[in-house]
Amino acid sequence: DVKVTQSSRYLVKRTGEKVFLECVQDMDHENMFWYRQDPGLGLRLIYFSYDVKMKEKGDIPEGYSVSREKKERFSLILESASTNQTSMYLCASSPPGVTQYFGPGTRLLVL
Amino acid sequence: KNEVEQSPQNLTAQEGEFITINCSYSVGISALHWLQQHPGGGIVSLFMLSSGKKKHGRLIATINIQEKHSSLHITASHPRDSAVYICAGGMNRDDKIIFGKGTRLHILP
Repeated sequence: DVKVTQSSRYLVKRTGEKVFLECVQDMDHENMFWYRQDPGLGLRLIYFSYDVKMKEKGDIPEGYSVSREKKERFSLILESASTNQTSMYLCASSPPGVTQYFGPGTRLLVL
Repeated sequence: KNEVEQSPQNLTAQEGEFITINCSYSVGISALHWLQQHPGGGIVSLFMLSSGKKKHGRLIATINIQEKHSSLHITASHPRDSAVYICAGGMNRDDKIIFGKGTRLHILP
């Protein structure tokens, strides 16, 4: 079974803090994705990566950055957390042209 | 603009009822995904289809490419089917997915 894990299920941070969300997949997938999910807005793509050290902006990259130093790990970074970044964050991975496999999500609260 | 529209937004039904959730999508989408999200957040991929019909247990997904329309059916619905069902379109040109806003299904015992 494909496994996508995320470092935390719940996270509480203060405004201005630097936040790291980690995602690891164990199936050697080339593609990895970070989404945020908000009520009424559905899932929105923040960043994605097709390969190690490659990254592409999604629909809402502002306020975020990413890092992919190893194929299995894709990190989402909030350089200076703000209250409007309170959300559910979902990571996914996939081989090319195949359905995405999702992690369990991280519910982030920024106070 | 690439879009995926789902209906209904919310659906409440009695146990045993036949459930249909609809999804329309725009040009540029080459494959349709159906996803399930239970309370607590985890998302599970149910189906990916680009033509015809797929069945898994009590779940059936169909797609009509000419009409750019897909449906997810649940037969003999059960309270454990209560979840958010998300339709998503895979793009022709890359591996990105565009998500519908989801249908919240509640099956009453």
